[in-house]
Amino acid sequence: DAGVIQSPRHEVTEMGQEVTLRCKPISGHDYLFWYRQTMMRGLELLIYFNNNVPIDDSGMPEDRFSAKMPNASFSTLKIQPSEPRDSAVYFCASRSGDTTGKLFFGSGTQLSVL
Amino acid sequence: DAKTTQPTSMDCAEGRAANLPCNHSTISGNEYVYWYRQIHSQGPQYIIHGLKNNETNEMASLIITEDRKSSTLILPHATLRDTAVYYCIVRVSYDKVIFGPGTSLSVIP
Repeated sequence: DAGVIQSPRHEVTEMGQEVTLRCKPISGHDYLFWYRQTMMRGLELLIYFNNNVPIDDSGMPEDRFSAKMPNASFSTLKIQPSEPRDSAVYFCASRSGDTTGKLFFGSGTQLSVL
Repeated sequence: DAKTTQPTSMDCAEGRAANLPCNHSTISGNEYVYWYRQIHSQGPQYIIHGLKNNETNEMASLIITEDRKSSTLILPHATLRDTAVYYCIVRVSYDKVIFGPGTSLSVIP
């Protein structure tokens, strides 16, 4: 398996633009997580899905952020409109529903909003 | 989830064992201890987890005290590639994973 795949690896955009980050989880994994990492706040959980259904979005910072999982192999995190304070590394992770609870992370998307 | 306490940073000489402590005094009976690490600019990587018995795999060993209030991750022969931030997390296996600040380990040549 290729692991969790995120795209793009790097995104540079201007304030006010819409940004869409993409994630393909490991095949067969039931859970998908979106994290954001900054120097100031560390790794923050934004939202997670189970069987394509959002379970907990309490970490989503504000209405400008939205996430979808239209099927088991694809998820998006959208920021509209983007702001400079959204600059961060965004990670996607997935895990199976077995008892180990091991998370597998993608390589992340480095977002810079100018 | 139970809270964990880890030292902010540690140094270890290359080739020596790295022992990373974690305190989790409020851990519940059904909560596991998980360790992840994050090498600079990469996504976190799972290392090991355990409930109450000591565990060992190809990456590390996990020693959990009998009262389960603390644990130690052991990297038996640290290399420069083990320089990373190490996260100790306590949770039930099916719950979400919340990361704390972790321990920044520097392996010194």
